[in-house]
Amino acid sequence: GAGVSQSPRYKVTKRGQDVALRCDPISGHVSLYWYRQALGQGPEFLTYFNYEAQQDKSGLPNDRFSAERPEGSISTLTIQRTEQRDSAMYRCASTPGQGSREKLFFGSGTQLSVL
Amino acid sequence: QKEVEQNSGPLSVPEGAIASLNCTYSDRVSQSFFWYRQYSGKSPELIMSIYSNGDKEDGRFTAQLNKASQYVSLLIRDSQPSDSATYLCAALSGGYQKVTFGTGTKLQVIP
Repeated sequence: GAGVSQSPRYKVTKRGQDVALRCDPISGHVSLYWYRQALGQGPEFLTYFNYEAQQDKSGLPNDRFSAERPEGSISTLTIQRTEQRDSAMYRCASTPGQGSREKLFFGSGTQLSVL
Repeated sequence: QKEVEQNSGPLSVPEGAIASLNCTYSDRVSQSFFWYRQYSGKSPELIMSIYSNGDKEDGRFTAQLNKASQYVSLLIRDSQPSDSATYLCAALSGGYQKVTFGTGTKLQVIP
């Protein structure tokens, strides 16, 4: 596709359930990022990959959160045993290269609501 | 101190005026800075980047970096109602590619 694609667009789940959020970056983009954005706040860094390698996962809040990008393209962010505080917009972004000054191309996000 | 700090606003300016958006940063960030614009309900998009001390102009936008005072600013000349959005300041922190965002400043341009 032409842009970064995220699915589902909306996810409503019950507390304690596991969820998997998918990101399909722009074709050929090397780096992929995950951010979480609460209403009225800026995006909060979670993790990023260069190709299939997870380079930095310092922003993952706890061990219930994990991410993978096994073939260097599509990525999945998994949240186990969801809690209400996990409710937020989860945004994926990709960049063409792995330089420090690359422009982030964001997807439309997945709005997660934990009831 | 947070790595990147912004006043959340809202900042209201009349149409045609200059809007000035400011951002301060800590010692924990590197010297690469970005301004992203985010319309309500949409995703952030890059509008300016600046790496060197001084001013950088692109159309109606000017980014300013002052390393001695540790602040970055974005000026929007001839503000238009279509400029109404949240402006996010971002910087590299904690590593080569980690981009950290501020909380954003909401700008309202009044017709």
